[in-house]
Amino acid sequence: KAGVTQTPRYLIKTRGQQVTLSCSPISGHRSVSWYQQTPGQGLQFLFEYFSETQRNKGNFPGRFSGRQFSNSRSEMNVSTLELGDSALYLCASSLLTSGRAEDTQYFGPGTRLTVL
Amino acid sequence: KQEVTQIPAALSVPEGENLVLNCSFTDSAIYNLQWFRQDPGKGLTSLLLIQSSQREQTSGRLNASLDKSSGRSTLYIAASQPGDSATYLCAVVASNYQLIWGAGTKLIIKP
Repeated sequence: KAGVTQTPRYLIKTRGQQVTLSCSPISGHRSVSWYQQTPGQGLQFLFEYFSETQRNKGNFPGRFSGRQFSNSRSEMNVSTLELGDSALYLCASSLLTSGRAEDTQYFGPGTRLTVL
Repeated sequence: KQEVTQIPAALSVPEGENLVLNCSFTDSAIYNLQWFRQDPGKGLTSLLLIQSSQREQTSGRLNASLDKSSGRSTLYIAASQPGDSATYLCAVVASNYQLIWGAGTKLIIKP
């Protein structure tokens, strides 16, 4: 089975621009979560989607948004980029057959975003 | 607010040693605790998941324990190998169903 894939792997943008990152979950997985990883703040939860609905959201400004498609693929968008948005953005998928708390998350390699 | 702390931040040991990584959390109301490893450029790999009702989980040379009442978990690595070198992260699923992460322990195994 193919793992979680994320595109692009690297991205360079300038302040004020917007960016869209893509995540394809493992086949059959219905839940997709997004995380931001920075040296200063570590890993932080952004949001989780399940069956095209946002089920949970972390403490990030509204510039960060996402969506999930009927095939479970997910995108996240960051508008009006700031220097502090430079980070590794990780996507994870899980099966979620029996309940949110019981399922292991499988991570993609991440997208490294640099904002200049 | 749930906070997760990992000690030490970095650890360097010779190959073959047994070692323990520590994780502590402030709120015992968790659904599960997970240990991950992160290799440069390769994302995160789940190692062990301990449900809140469990005390420990084992996978090969790895053993993770959970003591909810004291807010602690340990990851025991037996007979360490250079391939175990990575950053090890602990995370808990908090009462709001969000994964709350520790800052990680960077482990170096010297041949």
